[in-house]
Amino acid sequence: EPEVTQTPSHQVTQMGQEVILRCVPISNHLYFYWYRQILGQKVEFLVSFYNNEISEKSEIFDDQFSVERPDGSNFTLKIRSTKLEDSAMYFCASSDKEGPYEQYFGPGTRLTVT
Amino acid sequence: AQRVTQPEKLLSVFKGAPVELKCNYSYSGSPELFWYVQYSRQRLQLLLRHISRESIKGFTADLNKGETSFHLKKPFAQEEDSAMYYCALSGNTGKLIFGQGTTLQVKP
Repeated sequence: EPEVTQTPSHQVTQMGQEVILRCVPISNHLYFYWYRQILGQKVEFLVSFYNNEISEKSEIFDDQFSVERPDGSNFTLKIRSTKLEDSAMYFCASSDKEGPYEQYFGPGTRLTVT
Repeated sequence: AQRVTQPEKLLSVFKGAPVELKCNYSYSGSPELFWYVQYSRQRLQLLLRHISRESIKGFTADLNKGETSFHLKKPFAQEEDSAMYYCALSGNTGKLIFGQGTTLQVKP
């Protein structure tokens, strides 16, 4: 059964550094999402992406964040200058339909900013 | 405000006992409600959604619009049901809004 994959599984970086988190959505899916979960808190929506454009973004998704689909398979989240409070688990998800339908989640990337 | 509330962080029951995981929501409009589950060391996966009205692994959830609730129920808990359960809602855009999650612990 096809699955969403994410790399790396754990990333440690120093404050102020740039990080790129990578996701490979399910191949026939067109709608992509990033969520994050700070330890002990709820899973929060960051951004949705369709047709090479951001569809919706949350207040968390400020100018430090960007998303890209650089080729036909990868979907990336870049954080330009990481802060301590960016430490979290980042989940990628994809869906084959727009709107309130099932999203398929990746295993997550744990980002630790020191 | 769009919000999902799961009042219990931890629910501990014995095998064979009934289970009810509570979920209340706040949303202006008609959202779609979901329950996602995360078993130990596994990814978040959909358990069930309101519109499909299915029973998955013995779990059911009824949407009560008057009480704005979508509680998850199972009449007889099994040890393999132990997991983290997240209630979530979505509007037209697909964005999921999650509750805090409830850890279900089923003791033998």
